[in-house]
Amino acid sequence: QKEVEQNSGPLSVPEGAIASLNCTYSDRGSQSFFWYRQYSGKSPELIMFIYSNGDKEDGRFTAQLNKASQYVSLLIRDSQPSDSATYLCAVPANQAGTALIFGKGTTLSVSS
Amino acid sequence: DVKVTQSSRYLVKRTGEKVFLECVQDMDHENMFWYRQDPGLGLRLIYFSYDVKMKEKGDIPEGYSVSREKKERFSLILESASTNQTSMYLCAGRGQGNTGELFFGEGSRLTVL
Repeated sequence: QKEVEQNSGPLSVPEGAIASLNCTYSDRGSQSFFWYRQYSGKSPELIMFIYSNGDKEDGRFTAQLNKASQYVSLLIRDSQPSDSATYLCAVPANQAGTALIFGKGTTLSVSS
Repeated sequence: DVKVTQSSRYLVKRTGEKVFLECVQDMDHENMFWYRQDPGLGLRLIYFSYDVKMKEKGDIPEGYSVSREKKERFSLILESASTNQTSMYLCAGRGQGNTGELFFGEGSRLTVL
């Protein structure tokens, strides 16, 4: 069974710092990787996805993928209190890629 | 974007009751999902459906069944609710694009007494 591992945290960073969130996955055949953000009491929402090795940047967010090490990370630059949330890493559950398997999430707290 | 609506935000049921959780999406898309979310256990896939009357078991299907009679509606059924099924249930639909993005409903908080 596929597994996605994340450090549950909490990860605490001061406002303006870089927050680094990490995720490892068990299936070497996984091709795509997703980062969802979930605010307290809300549903998850997609913030980044990445298919290829290397970095993908979107505003203050950078996803980094290393397939050889089976490792994907999310960097948040210039962290803001509004970034305080739980961040979920996910990979496809099957070859068709229809369903996703989620890690348990890392809780990020950004202090002002 | 896909809009996913769950009919009940909060439900309280008794052990042994039959429970229906309803989910509707507003896009003509095949894939729909039911997850449950529990503290310390994260999001776990219960069932998903890739077309009308088609369903696949997820990681924790025991004690649950699903119904997909129309493309826009995907129901989760607890045939005989138990206290260990007290949880937040999240329905999701998959977007049209090839990103694989899932769009979640607001969730249904079920308490079984």
